[in-house]
Amino acid sequence: DAKTTQPNSMESNEEEPVHLPCNHSTISGTDYIHWYRQLPSQGPEYVIHGLTSNVNNRMASLAIAEDRKSSTLILHRATLRDAAVYYCILRDQGTGNQFYFGTGTSLTVIP
Amino acid sequence: DAGVTQSPTHLIKTRGQQVTLRCSPKSGHDTVSWYQQALGQGPQFIFQYYEEEERQRGNFPDRFSGHQFPNYSSELNVNALLLGDSALYLCASSPGARSNQPQHFGDGTRLSIL
Repeated sequence: DAKTTQPNSMESNEEEPVHLPCNHSTISGTDYIHWYRQLPSQGPEYVIHGLTSNVNNRMASLAIAEDRKSSTLILHRATLRDAAVYYCILRDQGTGNQFYFGTGTSLTVIP
Repeated sequence: DAGVTQSPTHLIKTRGQQVTLRCSPKSGHDTVSWYQQALGQGPQFIFQYYEEEERQRGNFPDRFSGHQFPNYSSELNVNALLLGDSALYLCASSPGARSNQPQHFGDGTRLSIL
C-alpha cells in the first residue's frame, strides 16, 4: 500500500480558500487519489477523487501534479462546518476497494 | 435512502469476552469493509466482504472474523477481547468489490474494553 504524507494540522479563516497538500511520491500508475474527511463523532465522508486530471465537484476541487507525486485539495470558501480531519488516500483499483488511511490533516476554521 | 447503519452505537465489554458488531450497507451496495480506528489515529482496514466471502484482509489477527449475509449486511466478531481492542469500529459499503466508486461509512460502534 502506497503511503501519503500530510501536515498534521492547518488553520484557515472562515470564507477564505484552503489548500490542503498531500505528498505521495511512491504512487503507481493505477493508484487513484481519494480524499475523505471526518467530522467529530462521525464516520469518514467522501470528498473527491481523481486519477490524473484535476477534478471539481460541489464540495471541493482536486489539483493533481503532472508527475502525480503530490496533490492538493482545495476548499474554495471555508466554513465552520469544514472543520474536520482530512485524509488523502491512495487506492489501487487492481487490489480491491479498501483504503489505507494515514493520520490526516486536522483543519481548524477560525471565525 | 438510508445510508450505512451500524449497531450498537456504544458497547462496553471486559477482557476475554467476545463481541459482535453489525452493519447494514447503503441501499444498492453489495460490498462491506470494516475498519478499526484508535483514538487520534486514522482508520485501519480489517477486512472486506463481497458475495458472502472475505476478499481482502488487513494486518489483524484471527480473533477478528466476519460474516456477510445474503442481504449484504455484515457482522464483525472479535474473540478474546484485549484492552487494545478499544476503538471505534467503522463499516463502509460500496457497489462492487473492485469498483472505484466511493465508500460510504457509517458512524461506527464505540467499543470500550475494561
